This record gives sequence, structure tokens and C-alpha cells, in this order.
Amino acid sequence: AQKITQTQPGMFVQEKEAVTLDCTYDTSDPSYGLFWYKQPSSGEMIFLIYQGSYDQQNATEGRYSLNFQKARKSANLVISASQLGDSAMYFCAMRRGRGAQKLVFGQGTRLTINP
Amino acid sequence: DTGVSQDPRHKITKRGQNVTFRCDPISEHNRLYWYRQTLGQGPEFLTYFQNEAQLEKSRLLSDRFSAERPKGSFSTLEIQRTEQGDSAMYLCAITYRETNEKLFFGSGTQLSVL
Repeated sequence: AQKITQTQPGMFVQEKEAVTLDCTYDTSDPSYGLFWYKQPSSGEMIFLIYQGSYDQQNATEGRYSLNFQKARKSANLVISASQLGDSAMYFCAMRRGRGAQKLVFGQGTRLTINP
Repeated sequence: DTGVSQDPRHKITKRGQNVTFRCDPISEHNRLYWYRQTLGQGPEFLTYFQNEAQLEKSRLLSDRFSAERPKGSFSTLEIQRTEQGDSAMYLCAITYRETNEKLFFGSGTQLSVL
């Protein structure tokens, strides 16, 4: 069975600093996808970044990058130059195989950016 | 804007009542999904559709739950005889044909069962 583990319930970071949110995963499938979503207090789930298990390079989307270490089964999210608007819950998720997006989510990390 | 509209935004109901939520994908899309998120947890997969066909249902979806997508566009999720344990955020999500791996969520319907 797939499992996503986010070991940081909460993180506090100073504005403009970089922050790394940890995510480890467990699967026996050779083909899988890894996602990060942001959930502000308003509740919507905002797609941030995606990494396929066969992708050769780490994914990047603007200030977001995914530090994909396949052998360690980790997919940490790095946010550069944090902003006050980055304060939110962050969820790591995994899709097994290809096709339908039946994602398994972690427990989430609450990120607070201090001015 | 993810291209997914959900209605209502909030729903308060009494235990035992039936409720129905609606999901309207605004844009061209591939598949439509329903997820449920309880307080303090990540979302959990419930079911998904390709066109009108409901292709898979999670074990979380008891027989009190039914989802439909009558014309392959909007979808409804109905809960009959609601229980307090049904209180959660119900999220609709879609994939686009061009970016099939990426799942985009609507703003959700927050259900409170009293």
C-alpha cells in the first residue's frame, strides 16, 4: 500500500528565507507521481508542482522546486524567498501508476511565514 | 482559477437529512473526481468519472453516498440519511487532457451535520 509521511506538523520561517517541507513516500510501484498542494485558510487546494517517477530532472515551478531523491523515497518541497502569502497548509501526495488520479495525501505541514 | 466550480460553498444540515452537492467543470477536461477531507487530514479519494461512466468507487463511499454525472459535464454527490461523521469538506477535482497528470481542485463544499 502507498503511504505518504510528512513529519513536520508545523514550520515557522522568517519572510524572504527559503524553506524546505519534508515528504517521504512508500510504494512498490515503479511508476508513480508526486504532487504538492497548498491549502490556505480559505480551503481551496492549489496545485503547486508535480514530479513523475521517471522524470530525469527535478521539477520547478517559479519559486517552488521539488527535491526528488528516488533512492531515499523523498520528495521535499523547497520554497525560495518566502512571502507572507505562503502561509498555509501544504500537502504532499502520491499517485500510483499512470491513469486515474487517485491520490494518497500526507497529513500536511502548516507553514507560517513571519514578517 | 482551476476551472472547477462547486455549489454550495457551505451546507449545514441535521442528522438524517439528505444533501446534494454539485460540481461544474467550467473548462474542457478529461476526468472528474470527488474527494473528502476531514478536519486535520489530507483529502481522501472517493470516486471518479470518465464522461458519464463512474469508473471506480472507494470503500469510503458507503451505500448512503451516490455520485452521478448524467451528461458527462457537471456532477452531483448525494448523501442520504446524513450522520455526524459525514461532516467534512467535499472536494471536486478534474484533470485536463493536455496535462493529464495534474489534478486541479475546486473550492469545495463544507458540510456540517448537526
